[in-house]
Amino acid sequence: GQNIDQPTEMTATEGAIVQINCTYQTSGFNGLFWYQQHAGEAPTFLSYNVLDGLEEKGRFSSFLSRSKGYSYLLLKELQMKDSASYLCAVRDSNYQLIWGAGTKLIIKP
Amino acid sequence: ETGVTQTPRHLVMGMTNKKSLKCEQHLGHNAMYWYKQSAKKPLELMFVYNFKEQTENNSVPSRFSPECPNSSHLFLHLHTLQPEDSALYLCASSQDLAGGGTDTQYFGPGTRLTVL
Repeated sequence: GQNIDQPTEMTATEGAIVQINCTYQTSGFNGLFWYQQHAGEAPTFLSYNVLDGLEEKGRFSSFLSRSKGYSYLLLKELQMKDSASYLCAVRDSNYQLIWGAGTKLIIKP
Repeated sequence: ETGVTQTPRHLVMGMTNKKSLKCEQHLGHNAMYWYKQSAKKPLELMFVYNFKEQTENNSVPSRFSPECPNSSHLFLHLHTLQPEDSALYLCASSQDLAGGGTDTQYFGPGTRLTVL
């Protein structure tokens, strides 16, 4: 079966750095996405990786290793507004998105 | 105009009621999706429409009935639901069904459904 694993919850301090990991086993691979979802709001697109390596976008970076079935989202200079759930999703060989259950990130002052 | 809108935002219904959820996208996309989001569970894809035609029905019970009158509008008709159907129902759209690259899905804010 297809499976996406990510931690259920993480806590970090304002101004610090946090890394959210995602491992996947899917039928084929056509890209990996990270979304951010604030409580009661829509998931919003953060990043996309299809080739191995690091993609940087401001305070957020996303890394992919296809051989290891592994990705991480790195958040730097954490702000209180970064408190949200972070969803990892993989597009499989049928171009369907397979979703993880999300990681709830709690930022403390 | 916000990209993807959903109404109502909150809905409480009894098991014998009939209600409908509405989704509208203003992005000119060709594909639309219904998802169910339950606490601490992955998003569950329910239905997919491409150019108004249903292409996916992931073994969803018949008490959920989708309707897509055009590429911009999507409905989810609900009848005789069960308490376990209580969840956040999200609508999404994407440019194409099997888009590559960064063609990603844009989500609406969801309808929080409670079945009593």
